[in-house]
Amino acid sequence: DAGITQSPRHKVTETGTPVTLRCHQTENHRYMYWYRQDPGHGLRLIHYSYGVKDTDKGEVSDGYSVSRSKTEDFLLTLESATSSQTSVYFCAISEAANSPLHFGNGTRLTVT
Amino acid sequence: AQSVTQLGSHVSVSEGALVLLRCNYSSSVPPYLFWYVQYPNQGLQLLLKYTTGATLVKGINGFEAEFKKSETSFHLTKPSAHMSDAAEYFCAVSESFSGGYNKLIFGAGTRLAVHP
Repeated sequence: DAGITQSPRHKVTETGTPVTLRCHQTENHRYMYWYRQDPGHGLRLIHYSYGVKDTDKGEVSDGYSVSRSKTEDFLLTLESATSSQTSVYFCAISEAANSPLHFGNGTRLTVT
Repeated sequence: AQSVTQLGSHVSVSEGALVLLRCNYSSSVPPYLFWYVQYPNQGLQLLLKYTTGATLVKGINGFEAEFKKSETSFHLTKPSAHMSDAAEYFCAVSESFSGGYNKLIFGAGTRLAVHP
């Protein structure tokens, strides 16, 4: 398995609080992604990174920000959590453009 | 923009029966296509991929898929289902974006149940 660690694995938080999810990889891959998974929607891209300090928005980026200060870490921040952000969040990495993505085991976030 | 449609959110088969999971895509350029499998409480695992060349692609666990350009389809099949195949399956197409980079667009998923 690709060396991808997501933390925490589970989190419950209250509406309006900031939350940061972490993705750590040991593969030295250039590309990193954050997806959210919701029933009936499959996986939707939130943000992605194509290098240190190089990030861009995906299709559902509102309410989320990311940072990548090191190759191995990609952080996803919910600036002020809302109930609509209750979801399972997956980090993925890939070695090159058009390479398959390798996924972490996900973080289940509940916003009450 | 690319999109993916998976026909049937739930499919149920008997053990030993043929598995057929349907995927249709839309793309204005030659696509890269993928099938992923997700077991409960786990991330997604790559089953197989089509990039160029042979249109029949073989993957892990006995699965295969055929790229049919004329039908814009990439259906996943397995001749004989096993209980361990019960999982959720996602079809995805690779979308190119500015800068030459790519990202995956996923279908909504098909949950496969296998009964004795």
